[in-house]
Amino acid sequence: ETGVTQSPTHLIKTRGQQVTLRCSSQSGHNTVSWYQQALGQGPQFIFQYYREEENGRGNFPPRFSGLQFPNYSSELNVNALELDDSALYLCASSLGQVKSYEQYFGPGTRLTVT
Amino acid sequence: AQSVTQLDSQVPVFEEAPVELRCNYSSSVSVYLFWYVQYPNQGLQLLLKYLSGSTLVESINGFEAEFNKSQTSFHLRKPSVHISDTAEYFCAVSVYNTDKLIFGTGTRLQVFP
Repeated sequence: ETGVTQSPTHLIKTRGQQVTLRCSSQSGHNTVSWYQQALGQGPQFIFQYYREEENGRGNFPPRFSGLQFPNYSSELNVNALELDDSALYLCASSLGQVKSYEQYFGPGTRLTVT
Repeated sequence: AQSVTQLDSQVPVFEEAPVELRCNYSSSVSVYLFWYVQYPNQGLQLLLKYLSGSTLVESINGFEAEFNKSQTSFHLRKPSVHISDTAEYFCAVSVYNTDKLIFGTGTRLQVFP
């Protein structure tokens, strides 16, 4: 059984640029959630995708957008990067319709905006 | 709205000593409760969860947490810690029937020899 994987591991971008982060969900999982973890903080919910549809969104501006593909992998896109976007971005997968409420997290992508 | 408060940002403790990491939550609706652990440069791993039933839940590595509805708490305890327990611990809630997790700010457990 393959766990949740994320790419890239690290990324450095300049303010104003755009970035795409990728996540492959655990085998059999149809739901992907994205979280932003700033330094010294707990993860903050960005949004969730269930069967390719957005299924809930946190308090993040529209320049944070996402996609989920038929194989349930997912992308997080951030436009017009700001310095405060520097954080660890975590992806988590789960079985959306099986309410075990267990989310499996990937190792994260560390984004630095300069 | 829901919120989670972890009262201690850091907890230093000697090996084989007991430890308690405190977590309080606020919610007007039923929630599920979780503890996650994050080792350096890794993602989050589920340590234990409370969904319903017995208010005392245990993990496979000796941690336990007790749901106290009247005090809106879900403190994490271990009777004897090991060096390998050094990590960041996050308490989280999810609203009934959703998968969205709301995390506390974390407690860094540092175990000294």
